[in-house]
Amino acid sequence: QLQLQESGSGLVKPTQTLSLTCTISGASISSGGASWSWIRQPPGKGLEWIGHIWHSGTSYYNPSLKTRASMAVDRSKNQFSVKLTSVTAADTAVYYCARQDSYNSLQFWGRGALVTVSS
Amino acid sequence: QSVLAQPPSTSGTPGQRVTISCSGGRSNIGSNIVNWYQQLPGAAPKLLMYSNKERASGVPDRFSGTKSGTSATLAISGLQPEDEADYYCASWDDSLNGLLFGGGTKLTVL
Repeated sequence: QLQLQESGSGLVKPTQTLSLTCTISGASISSGGASWSWIRQPPGKGLEWIGHIWHSGTSYYNPSLKTRASMAVDRSKNQFSVKLTSVTAADTAVYYCARQDSYNSLQFWGRGALVTVSS
Repeated sequence: QSVLAQPPSTSGTPGQRVTISCSGGRSNIGSNIVNWYQQLPGAAPKLLMYSNKERASGVPDRFSGTKSGTSATLAISGLQPEDEADYYCASWDDSLNGLLFGGGTKLTVL
Protein backbone atom coordinates (compact mmCIF):
# COMPACT_ATOMS: atom_id res chain seq x y z
CA GLN A 1 0.00 0.00 0.00
CA LEU A 2 1.39 3.35 -1.03
CA GLN A 3 2.07 5.70 1.86
CA LEU A 4 3.21 9.30 1.93
CA GLN A 5 4.85 11.20 4.79
CA GLU A 6 5.54 14.92 4.96
CA SER A 7 8.50 16.29 6.86
CA GLY A 8 10.11 19.66 7.33
CA SER A 9 10.23 22.73 9.47
CA GLY A 10 7.03 23.46 11.38
CA LEU A 11 7.93 27.09 12.07
CA VAL A 12 9.19 29.56 9.49
CA LYS A 13 9.88 33.25 9.93
CA PRO A 14 8.22 35.81 7.64
CA THR A 15 10.16 36.52 4.43
CA GLN A 16 12.03 33.22 4.75
CA THR A 17 11.61 30.04 2.68
CA LEU A 18 9.27 27.19 3.60
CA SER A 19 10.66 23.78 2.72
CA LEU A 20 8.90 20.40 2.93
CA THR A 21 9.74 16.89 1.76
CA CYS A 22 7.40 14.01 1.03
CA THR A 23 8.73 10.48 1.37
CA ILE A 24 7.01 7.76 -0.66
CA SER A 25 6.87 4.17 0.55
CA GLY A 26 5.21 1.19 -1.07
CA ALA A 27 5.80 2.43 -4.62
CA SER A 28 8.45 4.04 -6.78
CA ILE A 29 8.23 7.71 -7.57
CA SER A 30 8.91 6.69 -11.18
CA SER A 31 6.10 4.14 -11.43
CA GLY A 32 2.97 4.56 -13.49
CA GLY A 33 1.68 7.71 -15.12
CA ALA A 34 1.12 9.58 -11.89
CA SER A 35 2.43 12.93 -10.79
CA TRP A 36 3.12 14.06 -7.24
CA SER A 37 1.27 16.98 -5.73
CA TRP A 38 1.29 19.44 -2.90
CA ILE A 39 -1.93 20.81 -1.44
CA ARG A 40 -2.37 23.14 1.50
CA GLN A 41 -5.17 24.03 3.89
CA PRO A 42 -5.06 27.16 6.08
CA PRO A 43 -6.58 26.64 9.53
CA GLY A 44 -10.35 26.45 9.28
CA LYS A 45 -10.32 26.98 5.51
CA GLY A 46 -10.52 24.98 2.30
CA LEU A 47 -8.02 23.14 0.14
CA GLU A 48 -5.63 24.83 -2.29
CA TRP A 49 -3.58 22.96 -4.90
CA ILE A 50 -0.01 24.23 -4.95
CA GLY A 51 1.26 22.25 -7.92
CA HIS A 52 2.58 18.89 -9.09
CA ILE A 53 5.71 17.31 -10.46
CA TRP A 54 6.50 14.21 -12.53
CA HIS A 55 9.42 11.91 -11.83
CA SER A 56 11.12 13.52 -14.83
CA GLY A 57 11.17 16.80 -12.95
CA THR A 58 8.58 18.56 -15.08
CA SER A 59 6.38 20.64 -12.80
CA TYR A 60 3.33 22.89 -12.93
CA TYR A 61 2.13 25.34 -10.33
CA ASN A 62 -0.97 27.17 -9.22
CA PRO A 63 -0.75 30.53 -11.00
CA SER A 64 -1.37 32.31 -7.70
CA LEU A 65 1.82 30.79 -6.27
CA LYS A 66 3.85 30.32 -9.41
CA THR A 67 6.43 33.02 -8.67
CA ARG A 68 7.14 31.69 -5.16
CA ALA A 69 6.77 27.92 -5.45
CA SER A 70 9.22 25.34 -6.74
CA MET A 71 9.26 21.55 -6.61
CA ALA A 72 11.91 18.91 -7.06
CA VAL A 73 12.25 15.12 -7.08
CA ASP A 74 14.94 12.93 -5.60
CA ARG A 75 14.58 9.53 -7.26
CA SER A 76 17.39 8.01 -5.21
CA LYS A 77 15.48 8.72 -2.01
CA ASN A 78 11.98 8.24 -3.48
CA GLN A 79 11.09 11.73 -2.35
CA PHE A 80 9.73 14.95 -3.75
CA SER A 81 9.78 18.38 -2.20
CA VAL A 82 8.35 21.88 -2.29
CA LYS A 83 9.82 25.26 -1.48
CA LEU A 84 7.83 28.43 -1.02
CA THR A 85 9.78 31.67 -0.84
CA SER A 86 9.00 35.00 0.84
CA VAL A 87 6.41 33.51 3.16
CA THR A 88 3.90 35.54 5.14
CA ALA A 89 1.35 34.65 7.80
CA ALA A 90 -1.07 33.83 4.97
CA ASP A 91 1.09 30.81 4.15
CA THR A 92 0.35 29.26 7.54
CA ALA A 93 -1.39 26.00 6.73
CA VAL A 94 -1.38 22.24 6.89
CA TYR A 95 0.60 21.09 3.87
CA TYR A 96 -0.30 17.75 2.29
CA CYS A 97 1.52 15.72 -0.32
CA ALA A 98 -0.48 13.41 -2.55
CA ARG A 99 -0.31 11.21 -5.64
CA GLN A 100 -2.18 12.68 -8.62
CA ASP A 101 -3.28 10.12 -11.20
CA SER A 102 -4.36 10.39 -14.81
CA TYR A 103 -7.90 11.32 -13.74
CA ASN A 104 -6.32 14.17 -11.76
CA SER A 105 -7.68 12.47 -8.68
CA LEU A 106 -5.70 12.42 -5.45
CA GLN A 107 -6.09 8.87 -4.18
CA PHE A 108 -3.20 8.77 -1.73
CA TRP A 109 -2.50 11.54 0.77
CA GLY A 110 0.02 12.11 3.50
CA ARG A 111 -1.19 12.95 7.01
CA GLY A 112 -0.24 16.57 6.57
CA ALA A 113 2.33 18.85 8.17
CA LEU A 114 1.42 22.07 9.94
CA VAL A 115 3.65 24.97 8.99
CA THR A 116 3.31 28.17 10.96
CA VAL A 117 4.76 31.43 9.70
CA SER A 118 5.60 33.61 12.64
CA SER A 119 8.47 35.66 13.97
CA GLN B 1 -13.11 32.85 -3.37
CA SER B 2 -13.09 29.42 -5.02
CA VAL B 3 -13.85 29.13 -8.74
CA LEU B 4 -15.87 25.98 -8.01
CA ALA B 5 -18.88 27.03 -5.95
CA GLN B 6 -20.24 24.82 -3.19
CA PRO B 7 -22.77 25.62 -0.47
CA PRO B 8 -20.88 26.30 2.79
CA SER B 9 -23.06 23.95 4.79
CA THR B 10 -25.89 21.46 4.68
CA SER B 11 -27.51 19.12 7.14
CA GLY B 12 -29.74 16.09 7.40
CA THR B 13 -31.07 13.53 9.81
CA PRO B 14 -30.04 9.88 9.89
CA GLY B 15 -31.56 7.95 7.01
CA GLN B 16 -32.23 11.05 4.96
CA ARG B 17 -30.83 11.82 1.51
CA VAL B 18 -28.73 14.94 1.02
CA THR B 19 -27.10 16.47 -2.01
CA ILE B 20 -24.12 18.79 -2.37
CA SER B 21 -23.74 20.87 -5.51
CA CYS B 22 -20.56 22.03 -7.22
CA SER B 23 -20.81 24.71 -9.88
CA GLY B 24 -18.01 25.68 -12.24
CA GLY B 25 -17.42 26.79 -15.79
CA ARG B 26 -16.55 25.63 -19.28
CA SER B 27 -12.82 25.49 -18.64
CA ASN B 28 -13.10 23.21 -15.63
CA ILE B 29 -16.20 21.07 -14.95
CA GLY B 30 -17.47 21.71 -18.46
CA SER B 31 -14.33 20.16 -19.97
CA ASN B 32 -12.99 17.81 -17.31
CA ILE B 33 -14.05 15.21 -14.83
CA VAL B 34 -15.02 15.94 -11.25
CA ASN B 35 -13.65 14.23 -8.19
CA TRP B 36 -15.04 14.45 -4.65
CA TYR B 37 -13.19 14.28 -1.34
CA GLN B 38 -14.37 13.67 2.20
CA GLN B 39 -12.47 15.19 5.10
CA LEU B 40 -13.32 13.94 8.56
CA PRO B 41 -12.47 16.24 11.48
CA GLY B 42 -8.73 16.35 12.12
CA ALA B 43 -7.91 14.03 9.22
CA ALA B 44 -6.46 14.33 5.74
CA PRO B 45 -8.91 14.41 2.85
CA LYS B 46 -9.90 11.08 1.37
CA LEU B 47 -10.87 10.41 -2.24
CA LEU B 48 -14.58 9.65 -2.29
CA MET B 49 -15.66 9.76 -5.95
CA TYR B 50 -13.58 9.96 -9.12
CA SER B 51 -14.35 10.41 -12.78
CA ASN B 52 -17.68 12.09 -11.94
CA LYS B 53 -19.53 9.01 -10.70
CA GLU B 54 -17.10 6.24 -9.76
CA ARG B 55 -16.78 5.33 -6.11
CA ALA B 56 -13.28 5.04 -4.72
CA SER B 57 -12.23 1.80 -3.11
CA GLY B 58 -14.22 0.99 0.01
CA VAL B 59 -16.79 3.76 -0.44
CA PRO B 60 -20.33 2.49 0.22
CA ASP B 61 -22.91 2.69 -2.54
CA ARG B 62 -24.86 5.22 -0.47
CA PHE B 63 -22.59 7.75 -2.14
CA SER B 64 -23.19 8.70 -5.77
CA GLY B 65 -22.03 11.40 -8.13
CA THR B 66 -23.37 13.01 -11.26
CA LYS B 67 -22.20 15.69 -13.65
CA SER B 68 -24.17 17.76 -16.11
CA GLY B 69 -22.71 20.60 -18.13
CA THR B 70 -20.74 22.82 -15.79
CA SER B 71 -22.14 21.44 -12.55
CA ALA B 72 -21.75 18.31 -10.48
CA THR B 73 -23.63 16.85 -7.56
CA LEU B 74 -22.71 14.49 -4.75
CA ALA B 75 -25.61 12.60 -3.23
CA ILE B 76 -25.58 10.71 0.04
CA SER B 77 -28.54 8.47 0.77
CA GLY B 78 -29.31 6.72 4.03
CA LEU B 79 -27.35 9.38 5.91
CA GLN B 80 -25.32 8.07 8.85
CA PRO B 81 -23.67 9.89 11.75
CA GLU B 82 -20.20 8.97 10.46
CA ASP B 83 -20.92 10.91 7.25
CA GLU B 84 -20.54 14.17 9.19
CA ALA B 85 -17.54 15.76 7.47
CA ASP B 86 -16.39 18.40 5.02
CA TYR B 87 -16.85 17.56 1.34
CA TYR B 88 -14.84 19.08 -1.51
CA CYS B 89 -15.30 18.87 -5.25
CA ALA B 90 -12.30 19.27 -7.55
CA SER B 91 -11.71 19.55 -11.28
CA TRP B 92 -8.85 20.37 -13.61
CA ASP B 93 -9.01 23.81 -15.19
CA ASP B 94 -7.69 24.07 -18.76
CA SER B 95 -7.31 27.86 -18.63
CA LEU B 96 -5.31 27.86 -15.41
CA ASN B 97 -3.62 24.55 -16.21
CA GLY B 98 -4.16 23.59 -12.60
CA LEU B 99 -6.38 21.72 -10.21
CA LEU B 100 -9.27 23.63 -8.64
CA PHE B 101 -11.07 22.75 -5.43
CA GLY B 102 -14.47 23.92 -4.37
CA GLY B 103 -14.73 25.89 -1.17
CA GLY B 104 -16.02 22.86 0.70
CA THR B 105 -19.38 21.95 2.25
CA LYS B 106 -19.73 21.09 5.91
CA LEU B 107 -22.27 18.31 6.35
CA THR B 108 -23.90 18.07 9.76
CA VAL B 109 -25.89 14.99 10.73
CA LEU B 110 -28.54 16.15 13.17
